This record gives sequence, structure tokens and C-alpha cells, in this order.
Amino acid sequence: NIMMTQSPSSLAVSAGEKVTMSCKSSQSVLYSSNQKNYLAWYQQKPGQSPKLLIYWASTRESGVPDRFTGSGSGTDFTLTISSVQAEDLAVYYCHQYLSSRTFGGGTKLEIK
Amino acid sequence: EVQLVESGGGLVKPGGSLKLSCAASGFTFSDYYMYWVRQTPEKRLEWVATISDGGSYTYYPDSVKGRFTISRDNAKNNLYLQMSSLKSEDTAMYYCARGRGVYYAMDYWGQGTSVTVSS
Repeated sequence: NIMMTQSPSSLAVSAGEKVTMSCKSSQSVLYSSNQKNYLAWYQQKPGQSPKLLIYWASTRESGVPDRFTGSGSGTDFTLTISSVQAEDLAVYYCHQYLSSRTFGGGTKLEIK
Repeated sequence: EVQLVESGGGLVKPGGSLKLSCAASGFTFSDYYMYWVRQTPEKRLEWVATISDGGSYTYYPDSVKGRFTISRDNAKNNLYLQMSSLKSEDTAMYYCARGRGVYYAMDYWGQGTSVTVSS
């Protein structure tokens, strides 16, 4: 199985600040035939189910604010929130769907 | 509006069985692959099962293979998960989710149904 490792496990920032969080896979999730990275990011707010933010590593889901940006390729990926808002309080999970399906342990975002 | 509503969770003894259901609405159910994903008390997410849009193909991780069975009724827009030989480590919130195929991200998730395996 492909293992997904996220860092940091938690971080606290003030509203308006830029945030970056990392996701590393134990094997590449880039499929050479189509050059797509089979990597998604989910946001889970307290008491809610996960919500899809990003797929193919960098494609924003419809309706997701453009302050959320996914980047990276192969085994190293980043989710960036350009200007954190109070409503972004959540746990963020990365997820690979190339080989079976596995998730990272999550990064908990707290607002100071 | 896409809606996925899970039901059937509860408290069950080790070795017992339970059947979860997921009622889908707001989209053409038969056009989508469907999934079960669980979230452990430690908040770890684990994929549990996948079923193809027509129901012909199913996929499981080794942790539940042979114990869990995913199925669907496209006429009733319902997804199911039959769980047997339950273990304490199966304790989790169980979510149903939809996706375009085996190699696509899951784009909508239900609110979940809780399963506790304990004597």
C-alpha cells in the first residue's frame, strides 16, 4: 500500500496569513500514461464529513474558493491557503487514489 | 442537491453482523461508482469498499475482504454494506461517498453512521 504522510500534524495561524501544509507519498502517484497525479485534498470541519477541495493534485473542485491551491507531483504535494479565514478551521487530509486508496493522517488547522 | 444519507449503524458484539444503508438522491445514482470509507475514533480515514456503477465490480482492502460485502440497488438508489465477523477495530464512523470511477476522487460524502463493536 502507498503510505501518505502529512506534516505538520497541526498548526495555528491568524486570519489573513498564508498557510502551507505538506503531503508525501511512499511511492509516486503520478501515472506516466496521462501525466496525472492521483492525489486529492479534503477538508473536514468539526462535526462534518470530508469535503473535496482539490483533485488531480491541483484541480480545484467547483465552488472551492481560489485561496485554496494544490501543487506538487510524484511523491511531494502541498496545499496552500493564501489568506486564511476563520471558516477554514478544519482538518485537511490528502488522499491517493492510484493504487488502492489511502489517506494521510491529517493536518489540523487552528485559527489564533 | 446531491444527498447521501447513511443508516443502520449501532452497537454490535464482536463476531456479530450489521448492514449499513446509504440512500442517494439529487443525481443519477447509476452513473456513479460508490464507496464506503470509515473514520476511526482516532480520526484516521480508511477506504473500506468500492462498487462499480452497474454493480458488477467490487473492490476491498485486505482488512475487510471476506468479511464485508458492498452492494447496490440502482432501481432504489440505495447502497449497502453488509458487515460480518465484526472486530473491535471495525469501530468507526462509516461514510458512503460517490465518484466517477475507480481512478477518481470521491466528490461527495454523506454525514456518516456510527458503528461500535464492543462486548
